[in-house]
Amino acid sequence: DQQVKQNSPSLSVQEGRISILNCDYTNSMFDYFLWYKKYPAEGPTFLISISSIKDKNEDGRFTVFLNKSAKHLSLHIVPSQPGDSAVYFCAASAQRSDYKLSFGAGTTVTVRA
Amino acid sequence: ETGVTQSPTHLIKTRGQQVTLRCSSQSGHNTVSWYQQALGQGPQFIFQYYREEENGRGNFPPRFSGLQFPNYSSELNVNALELDDSALYLCASSPAGGSAGGYTFGSGTRLTVV
Repeated sequence: DQQVKQNSPSLSVQEGRISILNCDYTNSMFDYFLWYKKYPAEGPTFLISISSIKDKNEDGRFTVFLNKSAKHLSLHIVPSQPGDSAVYFCAASAQRSDYKLSFGAGTTVTVRA
Repeated sequence: ETGVTQSPTHLIKTRGQQVTLRCSSQSGHNTVSWYQQALGQGPQFIFQYYREEENGRGNFPPRFSGLQFPNYSSELNVNALELDDSALYLCASSPAGGSAGGYTFGSGTRLTVV
């Protein structure tokens, strides 16, 4: 039962342009959402998060938007840089301090020079 | 500050065998979670250990078991290995109760069952 879905397995973007990654969820109990970035042969690293009481959170080049009514969130990276080429996972939990993260299948981002 | 270390990095096992994977948590972290990432999928929660006791479990059969030691390191044991157990196994440590972005993941153990 896939409660978090990332429907785009891959994304290719020109350096300097915006990357937009999308994520949908089905569990109404989710109230905390995170994005992780993963390079080959490394573990996922935390990128940015958002609580359900907010609809936007920004950290430098990364912004996450949350649309609770649509059960949809997106990650915007602007401007995209070659070092951003990685797999990005969307994750959700039912409580901020909950131990269990539900992950999407990931989106592979390739930034072209 | 040391991160999360996992061993071994790769191993190959035969169907029906047993395997033990190890994880050392990040300094200051007392909670360890294990995830299974099959090819082309996102990580799936197996279980978590806190204060040497299992503190939540995902949808995995009992042949997946674990331990946490007084130094907060942890083991994941899988009995009667099946071909579908082939995956990347990720360990993540966190402060008690977890926190926003508080999970630190190791690089994983790639298990291949033949």
